[in-house]
Amino acid sequence: DQQVKQNSPSLSVQEGRISILNCDYTNSMFDYFLWYKKYPAEGPTFLISISSIKDKNEDGRFTVFLNKSAKHLSLHIVPSQPGDSAVYFCAAFTSGTYKYIFGTGTRLKVLA
Amino acid sequence: DTAVSQTPKYLVTQMGNDKSIKCEQNLGHDTMYWYKQDSKKFLKIMFSYNNKELIINETVPNRFSPKSPDKAHLNLHINSLELGDSAVYFCASSQARITGELFFGEGSRLTVL
Repeated sequence: DQQVKQNSPSLSVQEGRISILNCDYTNSMFDYFLWYKKYPAEGPTFLISISSIKDKNEDGRFTVFLNKSAKHLSLHIVPSQPGDSAVYFCAAFTSGTYKYIFGTGTRLKVLA
Repeated sequence: DTAVSQTPKYLVTQMGNDKSIKCEQNLGHDTMYWYKQDSKKFLKIMFSYNNKELIINETVPNRFSPKSPDKAHLNLHINSLELGDSAVYFCASSQARITGELFFGEGSRLTVL
């Protein structure tokens, strides 16, 4: 029972273009969402987050969009850079609990 | 100065052995976690401790026993290792109950032969 899903296992984008990574969830109790980036042989590192009371959060080249009615969020990276090549995980959290539930990850490759 | 550190980073051992992975965080967080990343790369929660108290135990075999001597440390002991235990184990910490980041260690790659 995968409550957080990333249906695209991989994505290739040209340098300078936009990368869009998608994430779907099933549990309407989730009220906080996070994106993590993971390089090989390293732990996931936090990228950006969004509360369920917002529909957009922006931090430099990274923007996260949340569509609660569709239970969908997306991460936009623009412009994409070769250093962005990594595996991206979305995660969901419910306030008052201790659980962060992770999606299955999307491997992004930015081509120079 | 590493925020969440875990040792060892690599561990190769035989089936049937007992091994431990240690984790320490210097962030002052009150909640620590163990996650397992299996061969399919899923990041699955195993355990969580809040102020030394077990609060999450996600249907993990009894061979896995977490121990939290204080809120800055969470160790994972695995008895009678099996081939299927081969994975990367990540320790993490957060100031949970408050929405915020989960901070991860670098991971410990366990290979059971």
